[in-house]
Amino acid sequence: DGGITQSPKYLFRKEGQNVTLSCEQNLNHDAMYWYRQDPGQGLRLIYYSQIVNDFQKGDIAEGYSVSREKKESFPLTVTSAQKNPTAFYLCASSGSGDNEQFFGPGTRLTVL
Amino acid sequence: QQQVKQSPQSLIVQKGGISIINCAYENTAFDYFPWYQQFPGKGPALLIAIRPDVSEKKEGRFTISFNKSAKQFSLHIMDSQPGDSATYFCAASPLDLYDKVIFGPGTSLSVIP
Repeated sequence: DGGITQSPKYLFRKEGQNVTLSCEQNLNHDAMYWYRQDPGQGLRLIYYSQIVNDFQKGDIAEGYSVSREKKESFPLTVTSAQKNPTAFYLCASSGSGDNEQFFGPGTRLTVL
Repeated sequence: QQQVKQSPQSLIVQKGGISIINCAYENTAFDYFPWYQQFPGKGPALLIAIRPDVSEKKEGRFTISFNKSAKQFSLHIMDSQPGDSATYFCAASPLDLYDKVIFGPGTSLSVIP
């Protein structure tokens, strides 16, 4: 089955710690995205990547970092510089020239 | 100009009724308008999408109506069912810039028996 996997489903972190969220896709999509979703709010773009070894900041990139070393993988690191990291994080991908974004099941991060 | 506005924020509809969610945009470069459906604890999934060369698109009980001159589009869910209870996001993007999708803030729909 083709799709996007995110792990872990739930993640707890102490203040001051960095944490990395995993996102893997086997859809052979070129573009991948990270969104943050807060309760009652829409999706805000953190970072996106159109091709391997290239990525761009979205609307709320401060306190986050990404890498795109493989087409299938786009991990997101939430650093200690992110002041309010508790949220639901969604990874998505899309094919070249295709507007439809396919979303993973999300990771709920809670900072204790 | 990049914003997509969506209303209402929440909606309660009786089973069998019609659910209507409205969106508006400013950027005239937008020419792809999808709707995503998200169930609690899950990622959103594409429900239906429209391009501005048509004024309406229907898929089963779901219909998008599009008014290019008013820069508005809406989702109608006919014969709403409890299983339709979810959060719905409208979105917009330029067709040739597939990484520039702008999402609305979402509408939480509850369909009660």
